[in-house]
Amino acid sequence: QSVLAQPPSASGTPGQRVTISCSGSNSNIESNYVYWYQQLPGTAPRLLIYRNDQRPSGVPDRFSGSKSGTSASLAISGLRSDDEGDYYCEAWDDSLSGRVFGGGTKLTVL
Amino acid sequence: EVQLVESGGGLVKPGGSLRLSCEVSGFNFRTFTMNWVRQAPGRGLEWVSSISSGSTYIYYADSVRGRFTISRDNAKDSVYLQMNTLRAEDTALYYCARDECGSCALDSWGQGTQVTVSS
Repeated sequence: QSVLAQPPSASGTPGQRVTISCSGSNSNIESNYVYWYQQLPGTAPRLLIYRNDQRPSGVPDRFSGSKSGTSASLAISGLRSDDEGDYYCEAWDDSLSGRVFGGGTKLTVL
Repeated sequence: EVQLVESGGGLVKPGGSLRLSCEVSGFNFRTFTMNWVRQAPGRGLEWVSSISSGSTYIYYADSVRGRFTISRDNAKDSVYLQMNTLRAEDTALYYCARDECGSCALDSWGQGTQVTVSS
């Protein structure tokens, strides 16, 4: 079981908006930044969101992140077929003195 | 261009050892914390270990503490993961990734090196 809880799957049609949740606790999400990573099939993970809601250069503004209390979420608007892949949230955990990942959410574009 | 290249993976028997390497280029290695993250076949990402820029702060996941040792050589722009007493559940693709502060974003990743533990 992952420390951060994510739904195992999410789906949407092209152009739609999809949200992926990430639930943690006061020792990780509530007290530290949340990061989101995208892993397309057969590739290494790529940073998508840092410091809860910031996008690295090169990441389209269709991707947005938010955090409230012990939960965070990733929203993808204007869904595209090449958004299909796995999405992971991650945060530092003060109790564990280490990074923790969510179990990942597999996004399918129907 | 930032590059991280892992090597050293392979097939090893349970109880055996392996040393992974990650050589980087394109950035000032000695100012970054380095991490190892693994992914078992068909599974999610699992953080394994991190080492600060000057090797002062070293952390391990509970699943590997006491068996794995992370180290770095700033003169060679490389980070290492010595893995001992390997188990079947250590089978995974091992990635190295950098971060600016020890708990910052993993903003660049390598392509990974495969470790298979099997008799």
